[in-house]
Amino acid sequence: DGGITQSPKYLFRKEGQNVTLSCEQNLNHDAMYWYRQDPGQGLRLIYYSQIVNDFQKGDIAEGYSVSREKKESFPLTVTSAQKNPTAFYLCASSSAGGTQITQYFGPGTRLTVL
Amino acid sequence: QQPVQSPQAVILREGEDAVINCSSSKALYSVHWYRQKHGEAPVFLMILLKGGEQKGHDKISASFNEKKQQSSLYLTASQLSYSGTYFCGTESGQTSYDKVIFGPGTSLSVIP
Repeated sequence: DGGITQSPKYLFRKEGQNVTLSCEQNLNHDAMYWYRQDPGQGLRLIYYSQIVNDFQKGDIAEGYSVSREKKESFPLTVTSAQKNPTAFYLCASSSAGGTQITQYFGPGTRLTVL
Repeated sequence: QQPVQSPQAVILREGEDAVINCSSSKALYSVHWYRQKHGEAPVFLMILLKGGEQKGHDKISASFNEKKQQSSLYLTASQLSYSGTYFCGTESGQTSYDKVIFGPGTSLSVIP
């Protein structure tokens, strides 16, 4: 079955530690995205990538880093510079180009900083 | 700029109708609608392109008023399964692709 997988589902980390969230898709989509969701708030874009080896900052990129070495993978690293990292993180993908671009979301990773 | 959604929250009884609005101050290329159940990923409902089109499936439909930069989501004869948070996402610009900016969401609760 085609889809997007994120791991782990729940993640705990100590303050000051970097942590990497995994996102893999087998939909053959060119574009991938990372969003952060806080309680009662919408989805805020962290980073997005339209093609392999290229990515752009979203609205809240500070304290995060990404890489796009393979089409199917778009890992997100939450660094110690991110002051308030506890949140629900969602990865999405879409086929770039065209006139109707649907984003397909993964199940999410809930990160808690202790 | 983040689109504005109204209302923030709504409670319905089964069978009642609801309208959720989404508006932007920027010229829009498209509007996307998603529903998210608690703790789960958002699920795509529909996308509307500029041109004032209306779309729908089953008892959920939406319209897009390009001149007013507004979209409305219509839920008719609501069912318990409609409960969740509804997000609109707006795409600006003249190209066929730009990043989607999501609104804060509208919480919809359907009670028996």
